[in-house]
Amino acid sequence: AQKITQTQPGMFVQEKEAVTLDCTYDTSDQSYGLFWYKQPSSGEMIFLIYQGSYDEQNATEGRYSLNFQKARKSANLVISASQLGDSAMYFCAMREVRNFNKFYFGSGTKLNVKP
Amino acid sequence: NAGVTQTPKFQVLKTGQSMTLQCAQDMNHNSMYWYRQDPGMGLRLIYYSASEGTTDKGEVPNGYNVSRLNKREFSLRLESAAPSQTSVYFCASSAGLAETQYFGPGTRLLVL
Repeated sequence: AQKITQTQPGMFVQEKEAVTLDCTYDTSDQSYGLFWYKQPSSGEMIFLIYQGSYDEQNATEGRYSLNFQKARKSANLVISASQLGDSAMYFCAMREVRNFNKFYFGSGTKLNVKP
Repeated sequence: NAGVTQTPKFQVLKTGQSMTLQCAQDMNHNSMYWYRQDPGMGLRLIYYSASEGTTDKGEVPNGYNVSRLNKREFSLRLESAAPSQTSVYFCASSAGLAETQYFGPGTRLLVL
């Protein structure tokens, strides 16, 4: 079974609007971490936000927030007030405590922000 | 701090040639990783190293070997390159469970 599933290969959003990128995960561990990364067309991988499985509050970092629904095993990334520079690939990833040396990545979502 | 560095940035090989991709990190991280990313796809783990002196296979290890030379350096070797190994290779390092991975800039490899 896929550990991380991102069901939106591509998305469009109007500049200044909010957008939600979906991510669901599969684990039997109680302790795990969830991560989102941005990959612009230049190719580098940029860390955006982290959510721990025991964190009671949703993580936020500036315009990024993570909508963490543990029972549904979902960890959606919300980008508020989209900017043209947000156009990129976005990857969701997970790390489990039983093998915390491994990261599992989803296939990514390509976000295009329209002016 | 340079973070994670990779050399070379770009390489063209002929089928059957060998080469080593170098990676170094200056963040004192125990864990290091090699991934490949094919066009339009996510990252696939080739090998990882939990600590100096240990290495483990990831999802796609065939055709590759690795060496964890010391805590800072983790190299990836292609003994006999094949066109299917044309890809972008990323090295990364990480600390504890709640810590992200830090990625190098990537190496673009073209095998003809």
